[in-house]
Amino acid sequence: GAVVSQHPSRVICKSGTSVKIECRSLDFQATTMFWYRQFPKQSLMLMATSNEGSKATYEQGVEKDKFLINHASLTLSTLTVTSAHPEDSSFYICSALGLAGAKNIQYFGAGTRLSVL
Amino acid sequence: AQSVTQLDSQVPVFEEAPVELRCNYSSSVSVYLFWYVQYPNQGLQLLLKYLSGSTLVKGINGFEAEFNKSQTSFHLRKPSVHISDTAEYFCAVRGYNFNKFYFGSGTKLNVKP
Repeated sequence: GAVVSQHPSRVICKSGTSVKIECRSLDFQATTMFWYRQFPKQSLMLMATSNEGSKATYEQGVEKDKFLINHASLTLSTLTVTSAHPEDSSFYICSALGLAGAKNIQYFGAGTRLSVL
Repeated sequence: AQSVTQLDSQVPVFEEAPVELRCNYSSSVSVYLFWYVQYPNQGLQLLLKYLSGSTLVKGINGFEAEFNKSQTSFHLRKPSVHISDTAEYFCAVRGYNFNKFYFGSGTKLNVKP
């Protein structure tokens, strides 16, 4: 079964509204969460990296005030797209990194397709 | 810094024919190499990965890839494709001590009957 659960899988919203996407690690504690974005016909690009209990580190060109990331627990990270606009329509994927025993494991969520009207 | 190049954006192929999807990378540090598959409207699924050891890596669904350090390549192959292999395939690298993935631009494999 899925070891990283991402919700919702699809969301359609009106321009100007905010959308929250959840990423949960199942059966392991994710010390680090990564958020990626995939525009149509392009590859996945890393947006930000978050460690539990710390502020997220954003990649160059990603607006931290627009894409709010919270990693308040070892099993949950959220990405909030604030005041969404049509150009924010994209496929957002999270990746969780953690320990299973003494081994690092990392899995991707199934993604969230955001459509802003 | 790392980068990944997938030269072929689309690869059409007939069912039961062999296929090779090309991937080249550049990196100033040693890296791990991965191939992921993305079916329509779904997330990424790991096909295979090279961490160390034998340079020929076998993955799921009959795919394999060969790591060539001198050519900095990690091409993906399958001897006989099926319609169900139609998907987008991403090559990715990750540094030993870093957990960020760097992805190629993807190759769409279109298997025709």
